[in-house]
Amino acid sequence: EVQLVESGGDLVQPGGSLRLSCAASGFTFSSFAIHWVRQAPGKGLEYVSGISSNGGSTYYADSVKGRFTISRDNSKNTVYLQMGSLRGDDMALYSCARGGLDGWGQGTTVTVSS
Amino acid sequence: DIQMTQSPSAMSASVGDRVTITCRASQGISNSLAWFQQHPGKVPKRLIYAASSLQSGAPSRFSGSGSGTEFSLTINGLQPEDFATYYCLQQNNYPYTFGQGTKLEIK
Repeated sequence: EVQLVESGGDLVQPGGSLRLSCAASGFTFSSFAIHWVRQAPGKGLEYVSGISSNGGSTYYADSVKGRFTISRDNSKNTVYLQMGSLRGDDMALYSCARGGLDGWGQGTTVTVSS
Repeated sequence: DIQMTQSPSAMSASVGDRVTITCRASQGISNSLAWFQQHPGKVPKRLIYAASSLQSGAPSRFSGSGSGTEFSLTINGLQPEDFATYYCLQQNNYPYTFGQGTKLEIK
């Protein structure tokens, strides 16, 4: 069974940083791209970032480019999202998803507030 | 980036109805489109991939069609559990982009 478990969400001040983790199990992790998607309260789904199976290619929404960095450690079956210069509009539930987004985690909540 | 325009943004229907939701891409995306269903407070679930392929485990009343820039999701014979929000997602170019969602409510 595909399992994705996010962690690292927290309350952070505007301008602050946070690192999210996505731990995977139940599939051959190193064969799949992994993506981050966020959903602000009461809003729709927004694609944030993705990373290829070997980590050689990374992708970002314009809204986070230059502020967020995605990486992965295939020896630990984990993807990371380093978030910097956080703003109020970054506040959301952040979920990771596999490949074609056919499997999702439950998400971790990022709150940006002073 | 490719923009996905989904319509309608909300609609109401009755159990047993046939409903169609559409998504338009700002440029051609071949058949690289997926549809997701999300109930409040729940994880999104993929229903359709590659525009018209039914996800394993998804009910056969869901179907997808289209290619290029115009796509649709059809639900034949609405069931109570189908009242949810639906999203399209283009996967042809990075960054992937979602439509703004269609909230399907009970009439």
